[in-house]
Amino acid sequence: EPEVTQTPSHQVTQMGQEVILRCVPISNHLYFYWYRQILGQKVEFLVSFYNNEISEKSEIFDDQFSVERPDGSNFTLKIRSTKLEDSAMYFCASSPRTGGNNEQFFGPGTRLTVL
Amino acid sequence: GESVGLHLPTLSVQEGDNSIINCAYSNSASDYFIWYKQESGKGPQFIIDIRSNMDKRQGQRVTVLLNKTVKHLSLQIAATQPGDSAVYFCAEEQNTGNQFYFGTGTSLTVIP
Repeated sequence: EPEVTQTPSHQVTQMGQEVILRCVPISNHLYFYWYRQILGQKVEFLVSFYNNEISEKSEIFDDQFSVERPDGSNFTLKIRSTKLEDSAMYFCASSPRTGGNNEQFFGPGTRLTVL
Repeated sequence: GESVGLHLPTLSVQEGDNSIINCAYSNSASDYFIWYKQESGKGPQFIIDIRSNMDKRQGQRVTVLLNKTVKHLSLQIAATQPGDSAVYFCAEEQNTGNQFYFGTGTSLTVIP
């Protein structure tokens, strides 16, 4: 069964450093998403991506964040200068959104720890 | 952001009983709702969805009810099993599309 994969599973970085979180969405899906979940809190929407451009983004997704689909398989989230409060689980999701199927498939997440 | 919240943070049920998890939303413009299940250490897993032009939708052992008058969403799980133990989130998509707001989550514990 196809699934969304994410690497690394755990990333530790120093405050101010850049990190890139990687995702491989399900191959025939068209819509891609990044979410974050701070420990013990709710899942928060960051950004959605379709047709090689950002579709929607939340207030959290400021200039420090960027997304890219550098090739036909990877979907990345970059945080340019990490802050302590960026520590969270980051989930990637993809969706076909065709034929009325809006189901989002989530990856296992990357735990980001900013020291 | 918009407010999507849950009435109860925790719920314990006996195995075999039915479970009802509730969710309140505040944005009347929301037109699509999803229930997710999140097991420990894993990403959210889609359970069932419903559009605002419906008030009920059934899946396998799960039913979602939508009451737009009071902006309330519920998830009913029939014959709850130990494998149903998880945190359940509701999420809403506004009519602007492709942007989702999650609730805080309800932790369901099934007692064998």
